Amino acid sequence: DQQVKQNSPSLSVQEGRISILNCDYTNSMFDYFLWYKKYPAEGPTFLISISSIKDKNEDGRFTVFLNKSAKHLSLHIVPSQPGDSAVYFCAASLYNQGGKLIFGQGTELSVKP
Amino acid sequence: DVKVTQSSRYLVKRTGEKVFLECVQDMDHENMFWYRQDPGLGLRLIYFSYDVKMKEKGDIPEGYSVSREKKERFSLILESASTNQTSMYLCASMGRENYGYTFGSGTRLTVV
Repeated sequence: DQQVKQNSPSLSVQEGRISILNCDYTNSMFDYFLWYKKYPAEGPTFLISISSIKDKNEDGRFTVFLNKSAKHLSLHIVPSQPGDSAVYFCAASLYNQGGKLIFGQGTELSVKP
Repeated sequence: DVKVTQSSRYLVKRTGEKVFLECVQDMDHENMFWYRQDPGLGLRLIYFSYDVKMKEKGDIPEGYSVSREKKERFSLILESASTNQTSMYLCASMGRENYGYTFGSGTRLTVV
């Protein structure tokens, strides 16, 4: 049972345009959400996070939106750059689970020059 | 910066072999995790540890065990490697104060 789902395996965007990556979850008890970025042959690196008590968090070109009623979060990248091409994973955490993260399947973003 | 080091980038092992994957972190983090990454399945948690000598099963522990004798080192053991354990293995650590993991570079294991 996949508690965190990224239904789009891949996304292609033109340089300079907006990239929107989506993530859905099923457990309303998740209290923290994170996005990780992964290049081939490297470990994932932390990108941005949001607490369940907020609906938006922004860091430079990256913004994460959380819609708790829809159990949906999204990552917006504006403007997209070729260096953003990578696999993006969303992850969710339960407060009483010692920091254990549950990851989605990942979305491969390709930003074309 | 926190560094998480996995001992091997690439490994090729034979079916039935006992395999050890080593992970070391240098920031005195309490929590350490082992995941495997497979196409279309994302990252799945194998085992994790809150502290020395403590371990908890993740979502897919079958065929694996772990060892945490020292705080900085968390080892994943494949008791008898099988071809369906061919995967990318990722180790991560996390301090008590935040939710963010720091990952190692991964070990690409092929079982033939």
